[in-house]
Amino acid sequence: DGGITQSPKYLFRKEGQNVTLSCEQNLNHDAMYWYRQDPGQGLRLIYYSQIVNDFQKGDIAEGYSVSREKKESFPLTVTSAQKNPTAFYLCASSIGQNLKNIQYFGAGTRLSVL
Amino acid sequence: KQEVTQIPAALSVPEGENLVLNCSFTDSAIYNLQWFRQDPGKGLTSLLLIQSSQREQTSGRLNASLDKSSGRSTLYIAASQPGDSATYLCAVKGASGSRLTFGEGTQLTVNP
Repeated sequence: DGGITQSPKYLFRKEGQNVTLSCEQNLNHDAMYWYRQDPGQGLRLIYYSQIVNDFQKGDIAEGYSVSREKKESFPLTVTSAQKNPTAFYLCASSIGQNLKNIQYFGAGTRLSVL
Repeated sequence: KQEVTQIPAALSVPEGENLVLNCSFTDSAIYNLQWFRQDPGKGLTSLLLIQSSQREQTSGRLNASLDKSSGRSTLYIAASQPGDSATYLCAVKGASGSRLTFGEGTQLTVNP
C-alpha cells in the first residue's frame, strides 16, 4: 500500500514538553510539507522540504523544528516555545517542487495540551 | 500575499438539492486551483484540480469552474447526498512557487 502515514493519531503534550509527530511516505516523493489546521481555518504551512537534508520555514515556523535525514521521513517537533500547540497537524508530500506536482495528504495527528 | 476566502462558512441543505460553494482569491497570478474534501478528523482528499488556463473541470456530480481574472472559483454539487457531508477546502498554487494557500473551508451538511 503506497501512501503517507502519520503517527500517532492523537497526542497529548504536557507543559514545557517537546513532542515529535511522525510522517513517513513510501511514494518516493522528494518534497514533504507540514501544515497546521485550527478549527474553522484553512491549513497553514509550517515547514517544507524539497530534498533530503534541506528544509525551509513556512508561514508559521516559530516554535517548531523539523529534520529530513531520510527521503521517506519528515518528523515535526513541537517545542515548548510553541505556546498554543493545540491543533490538527497534516503532513503532505509531492514528487517534487515542480509547479505541476500535486500534494498528497496523510490522515493527520491531533495534538492537545494537558 | 495571496489570500483565499470561502463563502459560506457552513451550509445545511436537504438531500437532492443542487448547491454551490464559493472560493475567492486576491492574486490572480495562479498556476492552478484545487478543491479538497475533508471528513471530520481526517486528511484531505483531492476532488478537482483546475489549471489556470482552464475554465472548468468535472467529475461525476461535481463541477468546478475558474474565473482567474475575477479571482473566483465555484464548486457545484448536483443532487446532493448525505454522504457528501464534509468540509470542502479550496487551495491555490501561485505561479511563482509550489506552495498552496488554503481557504478556511465550507462545512456542508446534507440532511436525509
